[in-house]
Amino acid sequence: KQEVTQIPAALSVPEGENLVLNCSFTDSAIYNLQWFRQDPGKGLTSLLLIQSSQREQTSGRLNASLDKSSGRSTLYIAASQPGDSATYLCAVRGGGGSNYKLTFGKGTLLTVNP
Amino acid sequence: GAVVSQHPSWVICKSGTSVKIECRSLDFQATTMFWYRQFPKQSLMLMATSNEGSKATYEQGVEKDKFLINHASLTLSTLTVTSAHPEDSSFYICSAREISGDSYNSPLHFGNGTRLTVT
Repeated sequence: KQEVTQIPAALSVPEGENLVLNCSFTDSAIYNLQWFRQDPGKGLTSLLLIQSSQREQTSGRLNASLDKSSGRSTLYIAASQPGDSATYLCAVRGGGGSNYKLTFGKGTLLTVNP
Repeated sequence: GAVVSQHPSWVICKSGTSVKIECRSLDFQATTMFWYRQFPKQSLMLMATSNEGSKATYEQGVEKDKFLINHASLTLSTLTVTSAHPEDSSFYICSAREISGDSYNSPLHFGNGTRLTVT
């Protein structure tokens, strides 16, 4: 069974700081890994998708890396802004005997203080 | 970009009644839609996979007779919570997968979720 863990559970930083969110998964036989953003009471917005053959993806101030063999991914946010405050979810597709299922972590609640 | 519309965004119902939640892909076709449930401060848990024109596949521990799923077209899937009880109160989110050649890497698009409160 695939399990996804996100550390830390919560993070509070001052505006402008660079930060890293961590994600680990137990079964490295994945097809891809995605990072999502979830605002309170809302659905998910996809931020970055890294395929299993890739090492990283970048979008604006966001950079996600994937080390499939060690079962780890990081989401780097540069020059954080108050608007970045949200819960960030990591999800992997595949592994644990399931080809198509997305397995989510519990998320990291990020607060960026002005 | 691809949009998934989920309706209603919130609903309050009395114990014993049924509630239907709709999930529509507005500008793309989706042969597969997924239904998730999220409890406070918990991760999203997959409940079932909905395939257009066929029966849904339910995850272990999810009662198919309680959570009825219908996927009658390439743009619409519905989840009906039958005989709802307070323990069914949760945040339900659907997602839809765009039809593409690479099914494992095709993007998933999520609705905004439905907050169900059963009193």
